[in-house]
Amino acid sequence: DQQVKQNSPSLSVQEGRISILNCDYTNSMFDYFLWYKKYPAEGPTFLISISSIKDKNEDGRFTVFLNKSAKHLSLHIVPSQPGDSAVYFCAASTDNYGQNFVFGPGTRLSVLP
Amino acid sequence: EPEVTQTPSHQVTQMGQEVILRCVPISNHLYFYWYRQILGQKVEFLVSFYNNEISEKSEIFDDQFSVERPDGSNFTLKIRSTKLEDSAMYFCASTVGRGGDTQYFGPGTRLTVL
Repeated sequence: DQQVKQNSPSLSVQEGRISILNCDYTNSMFDYFLWYKKYPAEGPTFLISISSIKDKNEDGRFTVFLNKSAKHLSLHIVPSQPGDSAVYFCAASTDNYGQNFVFGPGTRLSVLP
Repeated sequence: EPEVTQTPSHQVTQMGQEVILRCVPISNHLYFYWYRQILGQKVEFLVSFYNNEISEKSEIFDDQFSVERPDGSNFTLKIRSTKLEDSAMYFCASTVGRGGDTQYFGPGTRLTVL
């Protein structure tokens, strides 16, 4: 039962270029979406969120886009930096309560110098 | 910057043994969570804890699991009789409020059941 899918297990991008990480979900009741970043030997770190009343949220180099009709969201990182190399998890919930988040399997991003 | 800490970083145990995973949440946080990530799979919610009681738990969190806040600082996850499939990374997280975007995760404890 994969309610949240990240179909690319890995992605390589050149430093300075745009990284686009994709996430698809199946539950139309999901209303709140988060992206987490995870380095090896560390726990996930919250990156950026978006609620269903918006279609875009921006924070510095990170922008999340939400297309509710397509049940799709994406994370854009511009410009990509080597320190962005990590596993990125998409998570979705019917509310903003941490216990209800459903995580995707993650995408490993490698930013090449 | 305040952080969530977890001990031990790696725990190896024999099947059927009890294990206790320890977490020290950020001091002014009120909501506490345990998640697990089986190797190569997604992060899964186990349980949330507020005001000294479980507020939500997933179907993974069966009778073999229990949580406790034995004092003002520690938050523990006990697995009563470990199974091979309990081998995973276990992450503790805490928040001031219930919002998922304010969760701080610990570095995790890798549990290996032999």
